Amino acid sequence: AQSVTQLGSHVSVSEGALVLLRCNYSSSVPPYLFWYVQYPNQGLQLLLKYTSAATLVKGINGFEAEFKKSETSFHLTKPSAHMSDAAEYFCAVSAFTGGFKTIFGAGTRLFVKA
Amino acid sequence: DTGVSQNPRHKITKRGQNVTFRCDPISEHNRLYWYRQTLGQGPEFLTYFQNEAQLEKSRLLSDRFSAERPKGSFSTLEIQRTEQGDSAMYLCASSGTSGAPRADTQYFGPGTRLTVL
Repeated sequence: AQSVTQLGSHVSVSEGALVLLRCNYSSSVPPYLFWYVQYPNQGLQLLLKYTSAATLVKGINGFEAEFKKSETSFHLTKPSAHMSDAAEYFCAVSAFTGGFKTIFGAGTRLFVKA
Repeated sequence: DTGVSQNPRHKITKRGQNVTFRCDPISEHNRLYWYRQTLGQGPEFLTYFQNEAQLEKSRLLSDRFSAERPKGSFSTLEIQRTEQGDSAMYLCASSGTSGAPRADTQYFGPGTRLTVL
């Protein structure tokens, strides 16, 4: 069984500040981990994914995440927030069971202050 | 690669009516997934297809819900006798075959927002 917990339903940062969105997962098999971003009234866009290769994963728009097995974490970071980063972010976990059923966290809404 | 498309984007219906949504996946993808997302929540898995075969269904998919993918290309999701609790965003995603570069990654469509009055 798999699950995802995103710590903090809302995060607010100033423009130019570090962005840190926390995600902890649970999986009975080696997981695939993802971060997606969702803008209002749109579908989900893949930011980055971990699939058992390098533990530090770089994604689009300057985001990166580090897989830490000992902490069962996959936190998302960006060194300098931009106004356009304001959106909902979802951490997700999946494992191959014939297909990749993906379990999503509840999401973290990121606010960026000018 | 034109992306995943979904139609309609918005649907308003009265309680008790039937509705049908369509999803067109990325053309070379053989796996197709349906999710439901309610306000303030992450997407919840409903069902998935490999080609035309429906391989897994969530307990969330009650008897009023049915999904098909008759020719292994587009898929439809039908909700019969809609209830107000069915109001949500219905998302479709697709992915490639095992071993393909993007087999483990799902690409999402824009969703269909259903409002049941």
